[in-house]
Amino acid sequence: GAVVSQHPSRVICKSGTSVKIECRSLDFQATTMFWYRQFPKQSLMLMATSNEGSKATYEQGVEKDKFLINHASLTLSTLTVTSAHPEDSSFYICSAPSGVTAGANVLTFGAGSRLTVL
Amino acid sequence: GDSVTQMEGPVTLSEEAFLTINCTYTATGYPSLFWYVQYPGEGLQLLLKATKADDKGSNKGFEATYRKETTSFHLEKGSVQVSDSAVYFCALSPTQGGYQKVTFGIGTKLQVIP
Repeated sequence: GAVVSQHPSRVICKSGTSVKIECRSLDFQATTMFWYRQFPKQSLMLMATSNEGSKATYEQGVEKDKFLINHASLTLSTLTVTSAHPEDSSFYICSAPSGVTAGANVLTFGAGSRLTVL
Repeated sequence: GDSVTQMEGPVTLSEEAFLTINCTYTATGYPSLFWYVQYPGEGLQLLLKATKADDKGSNKGFEATYRKETTSFHLEKGSVQVSDSAVYFCALSPTQGGYQKVTFGIGTKLQVIP
């Protein structure tokens, strides 16, 4: 089946540094990928839609200069948290549409990246 | 806009107990409905889905029936196991050809004790 690889799974960084998270579709092409942020005991919050070959589309309230998204190829999207601060600590998850199965649009998720900013 | 309302947890059950997690939705047209499961420290995995009214999705002993008249998609399992402990998300996706964004519920944490 479709697989999305997300790396790193855990990262700890100092305040003020930048962190890059990669999301790769391993066995299918993804012209679109989605980036979510998950707060403790809460649902996934869609941050942005990553589009191959064009600018990402950000959801309301998400700072595009803070969360840089680059969709470099049909299998790779990256999220860079710039000048990270402790409040950016969270679980970040990516997903990609992996096709239509029995009439339903199916998303395949990465395993997530736990960011801790000290 | 579209929305998904899911019962808040946590839900704590003994092994072999019957499970129901309620989910209702608001959407225009005929969305596809999903249940995703998130095990500790992992991303979401598709558990089951249904694409039209009266469809029943099933997987690993879990079932959910698409009820358009009550706009519901409740998740059930007859006998839970400790390994079912996870967070369960109800979700919907518009089905109008091509791909649309998925709307998630808040998630319900299930803890199964031996």
